[in-house]
Amino acid sequence: QKEVEQNSGPLSVPEGAIASLNCTYSDRGSQSFFWYRQYSGKSPELIMSIYSNGDKEDGRFTAQLNKASQYVSLLIRDSQPSDSATYLCAVNTGTASKLTFGTGTRLQVTL
Amino acid sequence: EAQVTQNPRYLITVTGKKLTVTCSQNMNHEYMSWYRQDPGLGLRQIYYSMNVEVTDKGDVPEGYKVSRKEKRNFPLILESPSPNQTSLYFCASSSLLPSPLHFGNGTRLTVT
Repeated sequence: QKEVEQNSGPLSVPEGAIASLNCTYSDRGSQSFFWYRQYSGKSPELIMSIYSNGDKEDGRFTAQLNKASQYVSLLIRDSQPSDSATYLCAVNTGTASKLTFGTGTRLQVTL
Repeated sequence: EAQVTQNPRYLITVTGKKLTVTCSQNMNHEYMSWYRQDPGLGLRQIYYSMNVEVTDKGDVPEGYKVSRKEKRNFPLILESPSPNQTSLYFCASSSLLPSPLHFGNGTRLTVT
């Protein structure tokens, strides 16, 4: 079982819709969770971080964490074509050295 | 401007010819790390450093070396590159996890 799993996609949503991206992780001791956005050929950039159960909202983005079920999700409201990218889920198990990334979900926002 | 700077951005080399990819950050971060990214495999950690003179292996360290003589610099060395090291490489830094990582712009390496 991979430590951090994401559906590779592509996930296709129409402009203006809500995009829902999911990530599951295997280590119950994981404490910190991050979503990065990566455009093709570019470096990952941080979208959201979340550390406790529940929802965290930042503009059009909402991160949701459920430690009991070991999943974290990212919702993007009012999706725009510029949101088309690969979204990487990253999980820190609590050690100071390890941030494990999923393989990413490719999102396509269609006109 | 706070940033992580990698050089070069693109590099084509031949098997066995030693190369160094430089990485420098201006944020006074303790933690620095190298990742490689390959299609279908995601970002995999090569080496990381918690502070000056402290380095350790990540998930895929074979064929790579690093050093951390100064806080700001964390070069990646390939002593004898092979074609299976053709990849997109990222350097990243943070003020110790779980703080978010800041990534450099990447180095696309091709080994023929």
